Amino acid sequence: GAVVSQHPSWVICKSGTSVKIECRSLDFQATTMFWYRQFPKQSLMLMATSNEGSKATYEQGVEKDKFLINHASLTLSTLTVTSAHPEDSSFYICSAWGGSNYGYTFGSGTRLTVV
Amino acid sequence: AQRVTQPEKLLSVFKGAPVELKCNYSYSGSPELFWYVQYSRQRLQLLLRHISRESIKGFTADLNKGETSFHLKKPFAQEEDSAMYYCALSGGSNYKLTFGKGTLLTVNP
Repeated sequence: GAVVSQHPSWVICKSGTSVKIECRSLDFQATTMFWYRQFPKQSLMLMATSNEGSKATYEQGVEKDKFLINHASLTLSTLTVTSAHPEDSSFYICSAWGGSNYGYTFGSGTRLTVV
Repeated sequence: AQRVTQPEKLLSVFKGAPVELKCNYSYSGSPELFWYVQYSRQRLQLLLRHISRESIKGFTADLNKGETSFHLKKPFAQEEDSAMYYCALSGGSNYKLTFGKGTLLTVNP
């Protein structure tokens, strides 16, 4: 079956630094990937849609300069949280759309803690 | 706009009892509906999608366009069914997936 690898699984960083999260589709190509944020005991909130070779589409209220998304290849999308602050601490999840054959496949998530 | 409503935040049943997790949606076109499950400390997994009409782990869900619902049902709940369940909708050409707030199912022994 389709597998999406997301790294790191957890990261702790200092305020003001930047953190990069990677999302890779291992056995299929994904022209579209999605980045979600999940607060404790809450649902997944879509942050942005990442399309290979083009700019990401951000949801309303999501700062594009703070959450930089790069989708340089058909198997890799990255989310960089720039100048992180404690309020950015959350669980970030990526998902890859593999077409009608594979559907949506989710990464295991990244727990970000900003201290 | 796409919207998914799961009215029950928590649902508790006893082992062997029937279970129904409710999901209603709002979408102007023809949506594709999904149920995802998230077991403790694991990633989100697809449980079923309406177009496949499969039964996974004894769960079924029927799309009712008249009532705009996609309720998840299982006739006899098992303890291992305890998890967080999310209903999701996909519509349009951007393949954006919109999630409901989720229902935490607890199956008691």
